[in-house]
Amino acid sequence: GAVVSQHPSRVICKSGTSVKIECRSLDFQATTMFWYRQFPKQSLMLMATSNEGSKATYEQGVEKDKFLINHASLTLSTLTVTSAHPEDSSFYICSAPDRSYTEAFFGQGTRLTVV
Amino acid sequence: TQLLEQSPQFLSIQEGENLTVYCNSSSVFSSLQWYRQEPGEGPVLLVTVVTGGEVKKLKRLTFQFGDARKDSSLHITAAQPGDTGLYLCAGASGSSYKLIFGSGTRLLVRP
Repeated sequence: GAVVSQHPSRVICKSGTSVKIECRSLDFQATTMFWYRQFPKQSLMLMATSNEGSKATYEQGVEKDKFLINHASLTLSTLTVTSAHPEDSSFYICSAPDRSYTEAFFGQGTRLTVV
Repeated sequence: TQLLEQSPQFLSIQEGENLTVYCNSSSVFSSLQWYRQEPGEGPVLLVTVVTGGEVKKLKRLTFQFGDARKDSSLHITAAQPGDTGLYLCAGASGSSYKLIFGSGTRLLVRP
């Protein structure tokens, strides 16, 4: 089946710095990707929809200037957490639907810890 | 805002017991998926149901989609310790395949 690769799997950064997370579709093209956030022992919360060649669509309550999304190609979307703070520490997961939009493939997730 | 409520939130059972997890919403979904997630990993798809009233079986797991496509259930027969994990339902609507996840059910199967 299709594979979505997320990198890095873990990152620790200092408060105030920015962190970039990559999400790649390895064997298929994804015009749309989704970014989720998951706090410990909780479910996934949709943050934004990443659209290739256009601006991302953010869910209510998600700061677009805080979480910058770039979908510059059909196989890569990036999420940059800017000026990270400890409260941004979380598990971030991306997903991409297949061409027929019948299944979503998830990345392995990125554990972000801001110290 | 579409919401998916899952119940129970946490379930601890003995190996061999049966269990049912429920996923309910006031919204209609074009399809509904069930995922299982291990700590530190992304969710893994178990099944997709698209037709109201549909029942799908995957070995010891039985999935049902409500007639009105607003709710679903996951039934596990003779649970095993390997079934331990976080079970998530997720609904999709429209053509974008944007998934709205349920609140999750954490299952612990004790040997």
